[in-house]
Amino acid sequence: DAKTTQPPSMDCAEGRAANLPCNHSTISGNEYVYWYRQIHSQGPQYIIHGLKNNETNEMASLIITEDRKSSTLILPHATLRDTAVYYCIVRAYSGGSNYKLTFGKGTLLTVNP
Amino acid sequence: NAGVMQNPRHLVRRRGQEARLRCSPMKGHSHVYWYRQLPEEGLKFMVYLQKENIIDESGMPKERFSAEFPKEGPSILRIQQVVRGDSAAYFCASSDRGGNSPLHFGNGTRLTVT
Repeated sequence: DAKTTQPPSMDCAEGRAANLPCNHSTISGNEYVYWYRQIHSQGPQYIIHGLKNNETNEMASLIITEDRKSSTLILPHATLRDTAVYYCIVRAYSGGSNYKLTFGKGTLLTVNP
Repeated sequence: NAGVMQNPRHLVRRRGQEARLRCSPMKGHSHVYWYRQLPEEGLKFMVYLQKENIIDESGMPKERFSAEFPKEGPSILRIQQVVRGDSAAYFCASSDRGGNSPLHFGNGTRLTVT
Protein backbone atom coordinates (compact mmCIF):
# COMPACT_ATOMS: atom_id res chain seq x y z
CA ASP A 1 0.00 0.00 0.00
CA ALA A 2 1.18 3.51 -0.74
CA LYS A 3 1.90 5.10 2.61
CA THR A 4 0.93 8.61 3.62
CA THR A 5 2.63 11.07 5.93
CA GLN A 6 0.65 13.68 7.82
CA PRO A 7 1.59 16.05 10.63
CA PRO A 8 0.27 14.69 13.94
CA SER A 9 -1.50 17.90 14.87
CA MET A 10 -2.44 21.35 13.60
CA ASP A 11 -4.26 24.37 14.93
CA CYS A 12 -6.52 26.74 13.06
CA ALA A 13 -8.46 29.84 14.06
CA GLU A 14 -12.22 29.72 13.68
CA GLY A 15 -13.34 31.30 10.41
CA ARG A 16 -9.97 30.88 8.74
CA ALA A 17 -9.07 28.31 6.10
CA ALA A 18 -7.56 25.07 7.36
CA ASN A 19 -4.97 23.56 5.01
CA LEU A 20 -4.08 19.98 5.87
CA PRO A 21 -1.06 18.54 4.02
CA CYS A 22 -0.40 14.94 3.08
CA ASN A 23 2.60 13.31 1.43
CA HIS A 24 2.14 10.14 -0.61
CA SER A 25 5.32 9.91 -2.66
CA THR A 26 4.92 6.20 -3.52
CA ILE A 27 1.41 6.50 -4.93
CA SER A 28 0.70 4.47 -8.06
CA GLY A 29 -0.98 5.79 -11.17
CA ASN A 30 -4.39 4.22 -10.51
CA GLU A 31 -4.59 4.88 -6.77
CA TYR A 32 -7.01 7.47 -5.44
CA VAL A 33 -6.42 9.88 -2.56
CA TYR A 34 -9.22 9.82 0.01
CA TRP A 35 -9.87 12.07 2.99
CA TYR A 36 -11.95 11.11 6.00
CA ARG A 37 -12.36 12.68 9.40
CA GLN A 38 -13.33 11.28 12.76
CA ILE A 39 -14.92 13.44 15.39
CA HIS A 40 -14.48 12.03 18.87
CA SER A 41 -16.56 8.90 19.52
CA GLN A 42 -18.18 8.99 16.07
CA GLY A 43 -17.59 6.93 12.94
CA PRO A 44 -15.28 8.20 10.21
CA GLN A 45 -16.94 10.67 7.89
CA TYR A 46 -16.15 10.69 4.18
CA ILE A 47 -14.99 14.12 2.97
CA ILE A 48 -13.66 13.92 -0.56
CA HIS A 49 -11.51 11.88 -2.93
CA GLY A 50 -9.61 12.41 -6.15
CA LEU A 51 -7.24 10.85 -8.65
CA LYS A 52 -5.26 13.68 -10.23
CA ASN A 53 -7.57 16.63 -10.79
CA ASN A 54 -8.47 19.04 -8.04
CA GLU A 55 -11.85 18.34 -6.52
CA THR A 56 -14.37 20.45 -4.60
CA ASN A 57 -17.58 19.64 -2.82
CA GLU A 58 -19.75 21.25 -0.17
CA MET A 59 -17.36 20.24 2.60
CA ALA A 60 -13.88 20.85 1.26
CA SER A 61 -11.45 21.17 -1.63
CA LEU A 62 -8.74 18.70 -2.52
CA ILE A 63 -5.62 19.94 -4.26
CA ILE A 64 -3.35 17.24 -5.72
CA THR A 65 0.09 18.18 -7.04
CA GLU A 66 0.86 17.48 -10.66
CA ASP A 67 3.27 14.67 -9.78
CA ARG A 68 0.61 13.30 -7.36
CA LYS A 69 3.16 12.90 -4.60
CA SER A 70 1.31 15.17 -2.22
CA SER A 71 -2.07 16.73 -1.64
CA THR A 72 -3.77 19.33 0.53
CA LEU A 73 -7.25 19.26 2.01
CA ILE A 74 -8.72 22.72 2.39
CA LEU A 75 -11.59 23.56 4.72
CA PRO A 76 -12.39 27.09 3.54
CA HIS A 77 -13.96 28.48 6.72
CA ALA A 78 -13.18 26.27 9.69
CA THR A 79 -15.67 26.08 12.56
CA LEU A 80 -15.33 24.60 16.03
CA ARG A 81 -17.26 21.56 14.78
CA ASP A 82 -14.44 20.82 12.35
CA THR A 83 -12.19 19.81 15.24
CA ALA A 84 -11.41 16.17 14.44
CA VAL A 85 -8.74 13.71 13.34
CA TYR A 86 -8.31 13.96 9.57
CA TYR A 87 -7.09 10.94 7.67
CA CYS A 88 -5.41 11.07 4.27
CA ILE A 89 -5.57 7.63 2.67
CA VAL A 90 -4.27 6.23 -0.57
CA ARG A 91 -6.74 3.59 -1.55
CA ALA A 92 -4.92 0.60 -2.95
CA TYR A 93 -6.22 -2.24 -5.08
CA SER A 94 -5.96 -5.47 -3.10
CA GLY A 95 -7.50 -8.02 -5.41
CA GLY A 96 -10.90 -8.86 -6.87
CA SER A 97 -13.22 -5.91 -6.38
CA ASN A 98 -11.55 -4.80 -3.17
CA TYR A 99 -9.83 -1.47 -2.88
CA LYS A 100 -8.69 -1.43 0.71
CA LEU A 101 -9.00 1.71 2.80
CA THR A 102 -6.14 1.65 5.30
CA PHE A 103 -6.21 4.26 8.04
CA GLY A 104 -3.04 5.75 9.52
CA LYS A 105 -2.71 8.04 12.52
CA GLY A 106 -4.04 11.14 10.80
CA THR A 107 -3.80 14.81 11.80
CA LEU A 108 -5.63 16.13 14.83
CA LEU A 109 -7.01 19.48 13.72
CA THR A 110 -8.02 21.75 16.56
CA VAL A 111 -10.09 24.78 15.62
CA ASN A 112 -9.72 27.52 18.21
CA PRO A 113 -12.25 30.30 18.91
CA ASN B 1 -32.01 8.83 3.46
CA ALA B 2 -30.83 6.94 6.51
CA GLY B 3 -27.13 6.34 6.89
CA VAL B 4 -25.41 3.18 8.05
CA MET B 5 -27.15 1.94 11.17
CA GLN B 6 -25.32 -0.05 13.79
CA ASN B 7 -26.77 -1.58 16.91
CA PRO B 8 -26.41 -1.76 19.71
CA ARG B 9 -24.39 1.42 20.28
CA HIS B 10 -22.98 -0.01 23.49
CA LEU B 11 -22.62 -3.66 24.41
CA VAL B 12 -21.29 -5.11 27.65
CA ARG B 13 -20.35 -8.75 27.82
CA ARG B 14 -18.64 -10.89 30.42
CA ARG B 15 -15.59 -12.91 29.45
CA GLY B 16 -16.63 -16.07 27.65
CA GLN B 17 -19.96 -14.76 26.38
CA GLU B 18 -20.85 -14.13 22.75
CA ALA B 19 -21.19 -10.70 21.16
CA ARG B 20 -23.32 -10.07 18.08
CA LEU B 21 -22.98 -6.72 16.35
CA ARG B 22 -25.43 -5.71 13.66
CA CYS B 23 -25.03 -3.39 10.71
CA SER B 24 -27.69 -2.22 8.28
CA PRO B 25 -26.05 -0.61 5.25
CA MET B 26 -27.32 2.49 3.52
CA LYS B 27 -30.27 1.91 1.21
CA GLY B 28 -29.11 0.51 -2.09
CA HIS B 29 -25.68 -0.50 -0.77
CA SER B 30 -24.67 -4.13 -1.15
CA HIS B 31 -21.05 -3.91 0.04
CA VAL B 32 -20.22 -3.97 3.75
CA TYR B 33 -16.92 -3.50 5.57
CA TRP B 34 -16.10 -4.00 9.23
CA TYR B 35 -13.33 -2.12 11.05
CA ARG B 36 -12.12 -2.26 14.65
CA GLN B 37 -10.65 0.58 16.67
CA LEU B 38 -8.87 -0.39 19.85
CA PRO B 39 -8.55 2.27 22.57
CA GLU B 40 -6.05 4.95 21.55
CA GLU B 41 -5.30 3.17 18.27
CA GLY B 42 -6.23 3.59 14.63
CA LEU B 43 -8.95 1.89 12.64
CA LYS B 44 -8.04 -1.58 11.41
CA PHE B 45 -9.76 -3.32 8.52
CA MET B 46 -11.35 -6.64 9.43
CA VAL B 47 -13.55 -7.96 6.65
CA TYR B 48 -15.28 -7.01 3.40
CA LEU B 49 -18.53 -8.69 2.37
CA GLN B 50 -21.02 -8.54 -0.43
CA LYS B 51 -24.43 -10.12 -0.19
CA GLU B 52 -23.92 -13.75 0.90
CA ASN B 53 -20.19 -13.64 0.12
CA ILE B 54 -17.03 -12.88 2.06
CA ILE B 55 -14.69 -11.07 -0.32
CA ASP B 56 -11.72 -10.29 1.92
CA GLU B 57 -11.30 -11.43 5.52
CA SER B 58 -7.57 -10.78 5.76
CA GLY B 59 -8.02 -8.61 8.86
CA MET B 60 -10.15 -11.02 10.84
CA PRO B 61 -8.61 -12.84 13.80
CA LYS B 62 -8.33 -16.51 12.95
CA GLU B 63 -10.42 -17.71 15.85
CA ARG B 64 -13.67 -16.68 17.53
CA PHE B 65 -14.58 -13.99 14.96
CA SER B 66 -16.98 -14.46 12.07
CA ALA B 67 -19.02 -12.23 9.80
CA GLU B 68 -21.95 -12.69 7.51
CA PHE B 69 -24.11 -10.58 5.22
CA PRO B 70 -27.19 -12.63 4.33
CA LYS B 71 -29.46 -12.07 1.37
CA GLU B 72 -32.03 -10.55 3.69
CA GLY B 73 -31.29 -8.61 6.84
CA PRO B 74 -28.31 -6.86 8.35
CA SER B 75 -24.67 -7.85 8.36
CA ILE B 76 -23.60 -9.54 11.59
CA LEU B 77 -20.17 -9.55 13.21
CA ARG B 78 -20.04 -12.35 15.75
CA ILE B 79 -17.41 -12.74 18.44
CA GLN B 80 -17.50 -15.97 20.40
CA GLN B 81 -16.04 -16.41 23.90
CA VAL B 82 -15.08 -12.76 24.23
CA VAL B 83 -11.93 -11.75 26.09
CA ARG B 84 -10.96 -8.38 27.58
CA GLY B 85 -8.76 -7.66 24.55
CA ASP B 86 -11.87 -7.63 22.35
CA SER B 87 -13.01 -4.41 24.03
CA ALA B 88 -13.05 -1.86 21.23
CA ALA B 89 -15.24 0.20 18.94
CA TYR B 90 -16.44 -1.77 15.94
CA PHE B 91 -17.39 0.25 12.88
CA CYS B 92 -19.33 -0.88 9.87
CA ALA B 93 -19.20 0.88 6.50
CA SER B 94 -21.11 0.36 3.29
CA SER B 95 -20.74 1.31 -0.35
CA ASP B 96 -23.01 0.99 -3.35
CA ARG B 97 -20.48 -0.95 -5.41
CA GLY B 98 -16.96 -2.20 -5.20
CA GLY B 99 -13.96 -0.55 -6.71
CA ASN B 100 -13.38 3.06 -5.70
CA SER B 101 -16.86 3.87 -4.45
CA PRO B 102 -16.58 5.82 -1.15
CA LEU B 103 -17.30 3.98 2.09
CA HIS B 104 -19.85 5.49 4.45
CA PHE B 105 -19.46 4.58 8.10
CA GLY B 106 -21.88 4.07 10.93
CA ASN B 107 -21.28 5.40 14.44
CA GLY B 108 -20.06 2.09 15.73
CA THR B 109 -20.74 -0.38 18.50
CA ARG B 110 -18.64 0.01 21.61
CA LEU B 111 -17.98 -3.40 23.09
CA THR B 112 -16.83 -3.64 26.68
CA VAL B 113 -15.77 -7.01 28.04
CA THR B 114 -15.79 -7.26 31.83
